[in-house]
Amino acid sequence: KAGVTQTPRYLIKTRGQQVTLSCSPISGHRSVSWYQQTPGQGLQFLFEYFSETQRNKGNFPGRFSGRQFSNSRSEMNVSTLELGDSALYLCASSLEIAGGRNEQFFGPGTRLTVL
Amino acid sequence: KNEVEQSPQNLTAQEGEFITINCSYSVGISALHWLQQHPGGGIVSLFMLSSGKKKHGRLIATINIQEKHSSLHITASHPRDSAVYICAAVRLYQKVTFGIGTKLQVIP
Repeated sequence: KAGVTQTPRYLIKTRGQQVTLSCSPISGHRSVSWYQQTPGQGLQFLFEYFSETQRNKGNFPGRFSGRQFSNSRSEMNVSTLELGDSALYLCASSLEIAGGRNEQFFGPGTRLTVL
Repeated sequence: KNEVEQSPQNLTAQEGEFITINCSYSVGISALHWLQQHPGGGIVSLFMLSSGKKKHGRLIATINIQEKHSSLHITASHPRDSAVYICAAVRLYQKVTFGIGTKLQVIP
């Protein structure tokens, strides 16, 4: 079974631009979570989607948004990029069995550099 | 005070040593997740536990729900164990709060 895939793996943008990152979960997984990792702040939770609905959101400004499609693939969008948005963006998927472990499986990440 | 505190932040060990990484959390959780991140960014899930103890090979994870504390142990450490180890408090709907990570270097 294929793992979580993320595209693109690397991205360079300039301030003010917008960016869209994509995540394909493991087949059958319906929950997709997004995280930002920076050297200064470590890993931080962005949001989580389940069955096309955002169930939870971290403490990020409205410039960060996401969505999930009916096939569970998810995208996150960052508008009006700032230098501080340079980070590794990770997505993770989980099966979401009621009462189950719901272990998350991480993708390789997209490394975004904002110049 | 951070919701998830991890210690130590840096750890250097000689090959073969027994290693312990500690994680304390202040929030109610549904599970505690231990992750391993190698240089280059890839993250691997080691354990997800909500009570007791789990073992996989040379890795052991324990959690004490009453004390809100978890530990990750590595027995007979090896240079290939060198990585950053991160604990994460998992709450409802996968809302996750991460520790700062422990950078482990195992020297031959």
